[in-house]
Order: sequence, then structure tokens, then C-alpha cells
Amino acid sequence: ELKVEQNPLFLSMQEGKNYTIYCNYSTTSDRLYWYRQDPGKSLESLFVLLSNGAVKQEGRLMASLDTKARLSTLHITAAVHDLSATYFCAVDVLISNFGNEKLTFGTGTRLTIIP
Amino acid sequence: SQTIHQWPATLVQPVGSPLSLECTVEGTSNPNLYWYRQAAGRGLQLLFYSVGIGQISSEVPQNLSASRPQDRQFILSSKKLLLSDSGFYLCAWKHRGRGKLFFGSGTQLSVL
Repeated sequence: ELKVEQNPLFLSMQEGKNYTIYCNYSTTSDRLYWYRQDPGKSLESLFVLLSNGAVKQEGRLMASLDTKARLSTLHITAAVHDLSATYFCAVDVLISNFGNEKLTFGTGTRLTIIP
Repeated sequence: SQTIHQWPATLVQPVGSPLSLECTVEGTSNPNLYWYRQAAGRGLQLLFYSVGIGQISSEVPQNLSASRPQDRQFILSSKKLLLSDSGFYLCAWKHRGRGKLFFGSGTQLSVL
């Protein structure tokens, strides 16, 4: 059974600081997704990492993927209050020979940025 | 452009009552469709997925069921709700093959 674990589960950090969220998964996969969820809202796609060594950046967020270590990181640079949200990573698992997949989500990291 | 509609946004139901949540996708054909549930403060649990009309795969044994009567319509149902069915239900779709999920706005279900 695929397991996707994130740490930390809760993160409270001051504005202007840097931090990293980690996502470990238990099976071979060459694709990983990061999503953001605001309280009471749906999930918004942030990054799609398509191969080993992939790095994507959007504003103060940067995501990377190491498929050999089965590890993805989401790095936050100079945090601002607007980044407060819950962040999920998700790993895909093929469900058919036609390339269909389903995503297994991590436990989520609730990030709170303190002014 | 593609859009996904999910309703209702909020639902309060007594234990033992039936449930029907509906999700429709516009602007695409033959999507893969998914139902996820999120318990309060928790992660997402995949409940059902469908790769075609009438094709439903269940991930977790439970008193819920899903149906796909049309290509872009996905319905989550229950004959008798349990307290443990409370949660935030999210419908999602993606293109055939590999790619990211697009989520609906969610339904907050409270079973009392």
C-alpha cells in the first residue's frame, strides 16, 4: 500500500523566514504534485513535478523531486502571511495500462505565517 | 475552458437519511472522475474513481456508493448516513492518462 507522509504536520513561522516541507512516499513514482488548500476551500494545484531532479518555482515557493530518495520538498522563501494554508503533496499510481492514474495524498502540512 | 460543478456546498443531514451529491464537468470529454473525502483537519481519502460511464472503482469499503450515469456526471450516494460520514467531500477530474487533478468547490456534510 502506498504511503505518503509529510512533515511537519503543523508549521508556524514568522514572516520573512525560510522553511521546507518534506514529502516522503513509499513506492516508485516519477511524478508528484503539490496542492494548496485554504480553510474551508477546495484544493488548488501548485506544481507538477514530472521527473527526477525536477525543480519548479512560483513566487516564494519552490518544489523539487528526488525520485531515487522518494522525496519531494516544498521550500518557502521569505514567508508572507498570504502563504498561510495547508499544503498537500500527492503521488500518482497507475491504475491501468492506458496510463490512467489515481493520486494518493499526503497528510498535509498546515502552515501559519505569523506577522 | 473546463469547469467542474459540485453541489450542494453545505449539507446537514440526520443519521439514517439518504445522501446524493452531484458533480458535473464541462468543456471536456471522457474525463477520469474521482470522489475524495476529507475529515476535519485531516488529509484526503480517495473513495471512488471512474474511467468511463458505468465504470466505478471503490477504494474503501463503506456505506457509500458512486455512479456515473453520463460521461461528465458523477454522483455519490448513500442509503443511510452514519455519523462517521461527516466530512468535506471533493469531486475531481483529470484528463485521461497522467496529469493533475482539478477539484470542485467541495461539499461540507454534517451528519447529526
